[in-house]
Amino acid sequence: DTEVTQTPKHLVMGMTNKKSLKCEQHMGHRAMYWYKQKAKKPPELMFVYSYEKLSINESVPSRFSPECPNSSLLNLHLHALQPEDSALYLCASSQGLATEQYFGPGTRLTVT
Amino acid sequence: DQQVKQNSPSLSVQEGRISILNCDYTNSMFDYFLWYKKYPAEGPTFLISISSIKDKNEDGRFTVFLNKSAKHLSLHIVPSQPGDSAVYFCAARGGAGTALIFGKGTTLSVSS
Repeated sequence: DTEVTQTPKHLVMGMTNKKSLKCEQHMGHRAMYWYKQKAKKPPELMFVYSYEKLSINESVPSRFSPECPNSSLLNLHLHALQPEDSALYLCASSQGLATEQYFGPGTRLTVT
Repeated sequence: DQQVKQNSPSLSVQEGRISILNCDYTNSMFDYFLWYKKYPAEGPTFLISISSIKDKNEDGRFTVFLNKSAKHLSLHIVPSQPGDSAVYFCAARGGAGTALIFGKGTTLSVSS
């Protein structure tokens, strides 16, 4: 099983809303990632968690707040987003930081 | 400055023929390279990887070649099938614990 699941599939939110994206994997992977992908662009790394601790934050604005409640779950809390934050948000996981990453299907976020 | 470059935005191939997707990189510290395939509205799917200590890795119809002196890698798909039509991303890693850096992708179209 190489499945990473993400919910919701689609999300529309206003600039004053607070929402959360969820990601789950049951492969026993110890590293989990959030990426942002705009149309016709490659995925851009946002955060990396290793053994449930934040190990990389690629200078992401504080309106994005990651959380790793346990080794299977990764959340991305959203607050006061801007329309330019509209994108596909991808979660990925890997056995360790040195191995291939498996991606979820993504959450299509639209900020109005 | 782009560290991973996929200079061909698109490639069209007939079914049954070989597809060759190319990727160049600039950072000699990269030690691990991966290819991902992405369909619209889905997350990237891991295809195949290669360590910098090897020059070839094969998995079914997919073969990745690495030329370290030229800082070049390529993905060969033989025989190409219509279901291979997708965006292909090359990615590289600069060592354990560092983020994957993606190229901009090449859109492959396989016609029957």
